[in-house]
Amino acid sequence: GESVGLHLPTLSVQEGDNSIINCAYSNSASDYFIWYKQESGKGPQFIIDIRSNMDKRQGQRVTVLLNKTVKHLSLQIAATQPGDSAVYFCAENTSGTYKYIFGTGTRLKVLA
Amino acid sequence: KAGVTQTPRYLIKTRGQQVTLSCSPISGHRSVSWYQQTPGQGLQFLFEYFSETQRNKGNFPGRFSGRQFSNSRSEMNVSTLELGDSALYLCASSLASGGEKLFFGSGTQLSVL
Repeated sequence: GESVGLHLPTLSVQEGDNSIINCAYSNSASDYFIWYKQESGKGPQFIIDIRSNMDKRQGQRVTVLLNKTVKHLSLQIAATQPGDSAVYFCAENTSGTYKYIFGTGTRLKVLA
Repeated sequence: KAGVTQTPRYLIKTRGQQVTLSCSPISGHRSVSWYQQTPGQGLQFLFEYFSETQRNKGNFPGRFSGRQFSNSRSEMNVSTLELGDSALYLCASSLASGGEKLFFGSGTQLSVL
């Protein structure tokens, strides 16, 4: 499959450590946010979402934090595993626009 | 429940030709969106359809068009292909879009020679 984002920022973490991936979003009116994981040759896979009336949401091994003051979103992955190696994108949506704006992505590499 | 299905998986075309890509959404999903993904530009919004109506369109030339059928299946067409149209074209479906989870297909990898 196509190599996604040849010049993406890369985060390298040791297996078992926690990972934090950051995203600056563009529109202060955005009220819904999603984190996606994309593996080589595949489409983006939904990880977790959060609405603007929340500042934190937890899933299985993942936590998303939203700071609307500085328009910042982060994804925390606990006990990172080799299977977590992929490109991660944040996406933002503003009600009524029916489109999502995606961040540039971060490549996560898990070191054994 | 089957996921979003895109066909074909790979396409090779030459400049000046046209191409049609197909997308079948998740059963029950009425909104279908299309995105173009390239290494240089990332994921860019093309258009979104709901109940056969285009509700939003991205900043792409008129050579890019789409439609949605009554069964929610969607097609996008690119006419007069240019080298820069080489990309992964991703289709996503959701129940209504806008504040809803988007589920993506595996994409169609288009190469224009």
